[in-house]
Amino acid sequence: GENVEQHPSTLSVQEGDSAVIKCTYSDSASNYFPWYKQELGKRPQLIIDIRSNVGEKKDQRIAVTLNKTAKHFSLHITETQPEDSAVYFCAEKRSNYQLIWGAGTKLIIKP
Amino acid sequence: NAGVMQNPRHLVRRRGQEARLRCSPMKGHSHVYWYRQLPEEGLKFMVYLQKENIIDESGMPKERFSAEFPKEGPSILRIQQVVRGDSAAYFCASSPRKGNYEQYFGPGTRLTVT
Repeated sequence: GENVEQHPSTLSVQEGDSAVIKCTYSDSASNYFPWYKQELGKRPQLIIDIRSNVGEKKDQRIAVTLNKTAKHFSLHITETQPEDSAVYFCAEKRSNYQLIWGAGTKLIIKP
Repeated sequence: NAGVMQNPRHLVRRRGQEARLRCSPMKGHSHVYWYRQLPEEGLKFMVYLQKENIIDESGMPKERFSAEFPKEGPSILRIQQVVRGDSAAYFCASSPRKGNYEQYFGPGTRLTVT
């Protein structure tokens, strides 16, 4: 397909638990995969990114994994906190420099 | 170092009017991207520009929409004869150069067509 598939569309987890969001892309030439967090009414902000020459990247409670063979990449958030509640978007950067976005995952952290 | 600036933040237009959205990239950035976001949806790529050049406009509707990034001044996204379906948030992003670099987003312009 043309787009990035992102699942789930909504994810509700208990505070302190982990959250995992998955994306599948189609262009095997894509080599840059950022994740953005967007709070209601605000701009998307980059939280982590990964390039195709690595399989995993971690930054404190956030990690991203990339499986180039399967064309999957995932966002992992551990020890979730209320401020993690937002919409998360995955994206792939294609060889023509377009950033193609997933439809978003609304993450709800339950107290 | 100011971030990406967009103005206006909110714009209301009646059907048939023109909308002009402005984007000033971060200092030192010469690449600008425009995206449209409908409520509850992701961002859709519209156009990618460098100074005085349109690099990729494959995501922009062929009619009524145009974009420019002049040598001096902000990038402008222009929508002529707006219709209700143009109501959306329009974000621009900038990056220092082409390739796999982070895009920094502006606060967006929320266009409402009445």
